[in-house]
Amino acid sequence: AQKVTQTQTSISVVEKTTVTMDCVYETRDSSYFLFWYKQTASGEIVFLIRQDSYKKENATVGHYSLNFQKPKSSIGLIITATQIEDSAVYFCAMREGYTNAYKVIFGKGTHLHVLP
Amino acid sequence: EAAVTQSPRNKVAVTGGKVTLSCNQTNNHNNMYWYRQDTGHGLRLIHYSYGAGSTEKGDIPDGYKASRPSQENFSLILELATPSQTSVYFCASGDRGNSDYTFGSGTRLLVI
Repeated sequence: AQKVTQTQTSISVVEKTTVTMDCVYETRDSSYFLFWYKQTASGEIVFLIRQDSYKKENATVGHYSLNFQKPKSSIGLIITATQIEDSAVYFCAMREGYTNAYKVIFGKGTHLHVLP
Repeated sequence: EAAVTQSPRNKVAVTGGKVTLSCNQTNNHNNMYWYRQDTGHGLRLIHYSYGAGSTEKGDIPDGYKASRPSQENFSLILELATPSQTSVYFCASGDRGNSDYTFGSGTRLLVI
């Protein structure tokens, strides 16, 4: 069955440092898509970055990058040079490519606190 | 700009009453989703749709119905609301070919 697990409930880091948030997933499909979303203090949920399972290169967008370890079913989100405004809840999500191809499920989220 | 609009933003309902949460999208996306967000549970999928006229059960469909009368609109219906359905509900839209699933601003529902 499709499943996404984020074990880190909360992380605190000092501004301008690098942080990694973990996510592991379960799927039987050979093709799938992984996403990270950010929920701000206002409640708004915005898309950050995506990794397609067939791509070997790790996706990078701005100061967000992914650490995709397919054999470990792991997709970590790396934020470099963190800023105060990066404080938010980060969700990992997955969509399968074949089975339940329209279904998108999320992990429980990791609350990131960036301290001055 | 493409958008997902939810209404109402806040709702207080009585136990046993009927509640309808509405979602409208201008993205021309085929797929639409309803999630609920509770502390400690993240975003849980209730129902989703891959086009007008279709509805599919998500991971926690019990106590909820969904309706997709058109490409733009997707409703979540609580026929007999219970206090356990007090939550924040999010609607989202997307397409298989797109990276971006766009979320609405959420509806805060309190069932008393």
